[in-house]
Amino acid sequence: KAGVTQTPRYLIKTRGQQVTLSCSPISGHRSVSWYQQTPGQGLQFLFEYFSETQRNKGNFPGRFSGRQFSNSRSEMNVSTLELGDSALYLCASSLGRLSGNNEQFFGPGTRLTVL
Amino acid sequence: DQQVKQNSPSLSVQEGRISILNCDYTNSMFDYFLWYKKYPAEGPTFLISISSIKDKNEDGRFTVFLNKSAKHLSLHIVPSQPGDSAVYFCAASAIPISSGSARQLTFGSGTQLTVLP
Repeated sequence: KAGVTQTPRYLIKTRGQQVTLSCSPISGHRSVSWYQQTPGQGLQFLFEYFSETQRNKGNFPGRFSGRQFSNSRSEMNVSTLELGDSALYLCASSLGRLSGNNEQFFGPGTRLTVL
Repeated sequence: DQQVKQNSPSLSVQEGRISILNCDYTNSMFDYFLWYKKYPAEGPTFLISISSIKDKNEDGRFTVFLNKSAKHLSLHIVPSQPGDSAVYFCAASAIPISSGSARQLTFGSGTQLTVLP
């Protein structure tokens, strides 16, 4: 079974630009969660999508948005980029069951650098 | 306000010795705890977990201990091997407040473990 894939793996943007990151979950997984990893901050939860609907959201500004398609693939968009948005963006897929613990499987991440 | 804290950003251990990674949490609603391992240029991978109804869970060389009264958990790796060198993240989850939500993971900031040959 193929793992979680993320594209692109690396991105360099300048302040004020916008960026779109893509995540393809494991086949059969309907939940995709996005995280931002920065040094010293660990993984900060951005949002979770399930069946094309945002089901949960972390404490990030509205510049961070996402969507999920009918095939469960998800995109994350960041508008008006700031230097502080430089980070590793990870997505994780799971079955997304409401009860029980859903093991999350992570992709390799997209390294975003904002200049 | 970090609800899950890993106060040691790095740890070095000699090969064959025990590695002990620590994690503290503040949210008393957390009832499920996990450890993830992350190599450079790869996403985190699940290592071991423990439910709050237990105080110990063992899987081969890896053992997780949970002290609920102290809101503390630790990961023991015995014996440590050079291949264990990675960043280790502690994570926790709680039953969601909203009935339409699934559990979400809250992560610590990670500890870089280096096992010296």
